[in-house]
Amino acid sequence: EPEVTQTPSHQVTQMGQEVILRCVPISNHLYFYWYRQILGQKVEFLVSFYNNEISEKSEIFDDQFSVERPDGSNFTLKIRSTKLEDSAMYFCASRDRGTSGANVLTFGAGSRLTVL
Amino acid sequence: AQSVAQPEDQVNVAEGNPLTVKCTYSVSGNPYLFWYVQYPNRGLQFLLKYITGDNLVKGSYGFEAEFNKSQTSFHLKKPSALVSDSALYFCAVRDVSLRSGNTGKLIFGQGTTLQVKP
Repeated sequence: EPEVTQTPSHQVTQMGQEVILRCVPISNHLYFYWYRQILGQKVEFLVSFYNNEISEKSEIFDDQFSVERPDGSNFTLKIRSTKLEDSAMYFCASRDRGTSGANVLTFGAGSRLTVL
Repeated sequence: AQSVAQPEDQVNVAEGNPLTVKCTYSVSGNPYLFWYVQYPNRGLQFLLKYITGDNLVKGSYGFEAEFNKSQTSFHLKKPSALVSDSALYFCAVRDVSLRSGNTGKLIFGQGTTLQVKP
């Protein structure tokens, strides 16, 4: 079964450092998402991406965050200058075109970011 | 904005007994509802969805969910729980924003930990 893959599985970084989290969505999917889950809390939407541009972003997704699909297969989330509160599990998801709204998001296993 | 609520942080059941994990929703328009499961150190796995049609939706691993419009609920159920069902369960709703339209974004509930004891 096709899956979304994420790397790294765990990254530890110092506050103020830049971090790039990578995702390889399912190959025929066209819509891409990043979510995060702070330990013990709910899964929160960060950003959606379609047709090489951001289609929606949340209040969490401020100027420190950016996304990119550099080569048609990878989908990356960059945090420019990490803060302690960015420590969380970051999930990438993708879905295909299909009937609008009815499609299932397929999630990766997540990248755990620890900011010290 | 659309939202879902899961009123129970944790549900405990004995193996072999029926289980219910509760979810209520608040939407404008027709709801598109989903259940996902998260095992320890894993991503979210899709269980089932309600878009339209029969109120009882069947999904993976023997799970089903009942859509109840009058009670605005979408409770997850299974007739006979297994120890391996122990996990974190999330209810979700498709969100459509006034500014961005339908981007396929899901809004998740707080999650309910299901503990099935042998």
